[in-house]
Amino acid sequence: DSGVTQTPKHLITATGQRVTLRCSPRSGDLSVYWYQQSLDQGLQFLIQYYNGEERAKGNILERFSAQQFPDLHSELNLSSLELGDSALYFCASSDGTGRGEKLFFGSGTQLSVL
Amino acid sequence: TQLLEQSPQFLSIQEGENLTVYCNSSSVFSSLQWYRQEPGEGPVLLVTVVTGGEVKKLKRLTFQFGDARKDSSLHITAAQPGDTGLYLCAGEGGNNRKLIWGLGTSLAVNP
Repeated sequence: DSGVTQTPKHLITATGQRVTLRCSPRSGDLSVYWYQQSLDQGLQFLIQYYNGEERAKGNILERFSAQQFPDLHSELNLSSLELGDSALYFCASSDGTGRGEKLFFGSGTQLSVL
Repeated sequence: TQLLEQSPQFLSIQEGENLTVYCNSSSVFSSLQWYRQEPGEGPVLLVTVVTGGEVKKLKRLTFQFGDARKDSSLHITAAQPGDTGLYLCAGEGGNNRKLIWGLGTSLAVNP
């Protein structure tokens, strides 16, 4: 158990809909990362938050947004969903201290857009 | 753009065999991490290497960071079915310390 909690485990929705994925980091970790994983593109970094503030942005679409709340949990919002958004979405947390920092991943949310 | 290439992409071996998987780049990384991911789960960190030429051992797993900090290898001795999974390498580079991920090596160890 990594200590990172992601909900829901599975999500099935239709094109054009909006969903929210939730992540609770490990106790004490200030940094939260969101990743998308698909078979053809591997693990793609979307966005990172540190103590409530956006720290780094990766390949996140404009239809996607995220935030980190004062209690450090984070939400990833995906809107106007398309078939190609079907993927595994992972949240990871770390202490955010820098070089070689360890990422602890949740079990992921499997999103299926039909 | 920094890229990490992992090889082989797929590997299927018998229990007891030895294997090596590779993680290569033309870029220099300040550190490199290896993760193992099992189906339905998130990646789990195995090791972090930070010094060129560094070798780290984790039971039957041996990790090496290249002298120039551009490549790494993972050697597994006497593989067991429990070693089955997707092995991912991730390099830390650039001023923003952003992690660059390889696509992974999918390993199947057959009893």
